[in-house]
Amino acid sequence: NAGVTQTPKFRILKIGQSMTLQCTQDMNHNYMYWYRQDPGMGLKLIYYSVGAGITDKGEVPNGYNVSRSTTEDFPLRLELAAPSQTSVYFCASSSSRGNYNEQFFGPGTRLTVL
Amino acid sequence: AQKVTQAQTEISVVEKEDVTLDCVYETRDTTYYLFWYKQPPSGELVFLIRRNSFDEQNEISGRYSWNFQKSTSSFNFTITASQVVDSAVYFCALDFNKFYFGSGTKLNVKP
Repeated sequence: NAGVTQTPKFRILKIGQSMTLQCTQDMNHNYMYWYRQDPGMGLKLIYYSVGAGITDKGEVPNGYNVSRSTTEDFPLRLELAAPSQTSVYFCASSSSRGNYNEQFFGPGTRLTVL
Repeated sequence: AQKVTQAQTEISVVEKEDVTLDCVYETRDTTYYLFWYKQPPSGELVFLIRRNSFDEQNEISGRYSWNFQKSTSSFNFTITASQVVDSAVYFCALDFNKFYFGSGTKLNVKP
């Protein structure tokens, strides 16, 4: 199993550009999450999904959009990139909530907006 | 409102010293889950432990131990006989509706 994969690993965007961060998991997990980690800070939840077709906002959703058309994929869309979105983005998945809610994380995407 | 507080921003110890990382959380729910994750310099996130709110039993795993006290809303993490490889940022996290991470404690273990 590859676990959680993210592409790209690195990206530089100009202000106002758009892009999609890809996330795929092969563990058949229902729950998927997107976090951002600013330098020297903890992770903040952007969006999450409890299953295909169902998404919900986290702590910091502004400036982002998500979709979940399949169990495996959970892409994160930035429409109008801003310097404040410079961060490392982590995707994660888990099989359920509660006692089995260990989240498996992808390796991260380092995004710089100039 | 801060849901998870890790007051220690950075700790430095010498190898073989014991070190405790503090975590204080805030929730009104009676059912919740607490986690610790490790983020080594390479950047990935490594799961260490999960604890539910009904299980206050302390846990020991090798050199790692966790002390969960509901009365003080704390879930502290102790590394015994620290090693250089323990150098990392450690995050405490809370799951009661959504997932909340603390800001992390950077541990430097010097040889």
